[in-house]
Amino acid sequence: EVELVESGGGLVQPGGSLRLSCAASAFSFDNSWMTWVRLAPGKGLEWVANIKKDGSEENYVDSVRGRFTISRDNAKNSLYLQMNSLRAEDTAVYYCAKERVYRDSSGYFKSYFDYWGQGTLVTVSS
Amino acid sequence: QSVLTQPPSVSGAPGQRVTISCTGSSSNLGAGFDVHWYQQLPGAAPKLLIHTNKNRPSGVPDRFSGSKSGTSAYLAITGLQAADEADYYCQSFDSSPNAYVFGTGTKVTVL
Repeated sequence: EVELVESGGGLVQPGGSLRLSCAASAFSFDNSWMTWVRLAPGKGLEWVANIKKDGSEENYVDSVRGRFTISRDNAKNSLYLQMNSLRAEDTAVYYCAKERVYRDSSGYFKSYFDYWGQGTLVTVSS
Repeated sequence: QSVLTQPPSVSGAPGQRVTISCTGSSSNLGAGFDVHWYQQLPGAAPKLLIHTNKNRPSGVPDRFSGSKSGTSAYLAITGLQAADEADYYCQSFDSSPNAYVFGTGTKVTVL
């Protein structure tokens, strides 16, 4: 059974850094795009970043671009999110998710998120 | 700020049918991008419920159905059960800002 387990969350001061990890098992990790999604208190889900299966392409939501870096180690079946210059508004539960890539009716390759981890809480506060 | 708008809450009695709308624009649903739906039970991770507008993953009951038309999409739950109490989110792609986007979320309450 597919399993995704996040770790690395915690309390950090504004301006600080944190590195999240996601350990994957029971699927072909090196053949899967991977994504980070967050859920802030009282708000809805927000897609944060994703990375191509070989690590050669990364995409970010505007609010984290330049501060967060997504990476992966296929030899360790692990996904990471390095978060720098953290702000109060980054407080959230962070989920890693496996992407299922498909070709839509217009011929574009797009994804939905077919498996999710349980999440790790990041709190940015002084 | 989400570009896909959902009603904050819907409710129904056990056994009833409820529908959740997801309203987008010409840069996401109206551009032909597909919609997907997720269920998040209290204290749990989101779970894929419907993909590519109307398709159920294995194990999802046929009480859940999806549809899409123009700039709107809909999730219907028939035979409402107490176990369906959860938050529901739609998700698609938006060409501006060229990112995956989620809906604002809808809390379903079983009366």
